[in-house]
Amino acid sequence: DTEVTQTPKHLVMGMTNKKSLKCEQHMGHRAMYWYKQKAKKPPELMFVYSYEKLSINESVPSRFSPECPNSSLLNLHLHALQPEDSALYLCASSLRVSGETQYFGPGTRLLVL
Amino acid sequence: GESVGLHLPTLSVQEGDNSIINCAYSNSASDYFIWYKQESGKGPQFIIDIRSNMDKRQGQRVTVLLNKTVKHLSLQIAATQPGDSAVYFCAEGLIRGGYQKVTFGTGTKLQVIP
Repeated sequence: DTEVTQTPKHLVMGMTNKKSLKCEQHMGHRAMYWYKQKAKKPPELMFVYSYEKLSINESVPSRFSPECPNSSLLNLHLHALQPEDSALYLCASSLRVSGETQYFGPGTRLLVL
Repeated sequence: GESVGLHLPTLSVQEGDNSIINCAYSNSASDYFIWYKQESGKGPQFIIDIRSNMDKRQGQRVTVLLNKTVKHLSLQIAATQPGDSAVYFCAEGLIRGGYQKVTFGTGTKLQVIP
């Protein structure tokens, strides 16, 4: 298995909703990442997990809460989002957290109403 | 501040011709550089990378050139095909304290004309 999968593909939520994005990889990678990509813009790093521990938080608002329950899974819990949070949320993984190629999933397209 | 940028937002190339996508960077401390391809509705796909101590690296139909003197990076695609149509991002990799941070440039859209 050489891919990163993400669910759901699309998500529409209201500003009072709580939802979660899921990411999974079975490549034995020990580093996992969340990126946010607005339309026609490059991906921007949000979080980095290394060996299931949060290593980097790029000053992301607390309404985004990441979780890494095991080495294959990465979640992003969403609560009280704003319309400007609408974007493509990309998950990536790499063998280790330092200097290794990152492989991206297809993303979850999120719309906040 | 540090930035990774591209010279051209859109590049149109005839099928079969060679494509050259350029990228300027400003952080001379970057450890490596990566080229990603992103097709519509998909996540970025790794194409090729190059360490900062190299000036050229070749892959299948692709070549990356790094000129540290002028802080310039390019991706050459040989015999461009319709399937090469996508947005191409150069990205800068920094390794500090055992962690890597990848910063993406603004992207170039490659349109292949059949």
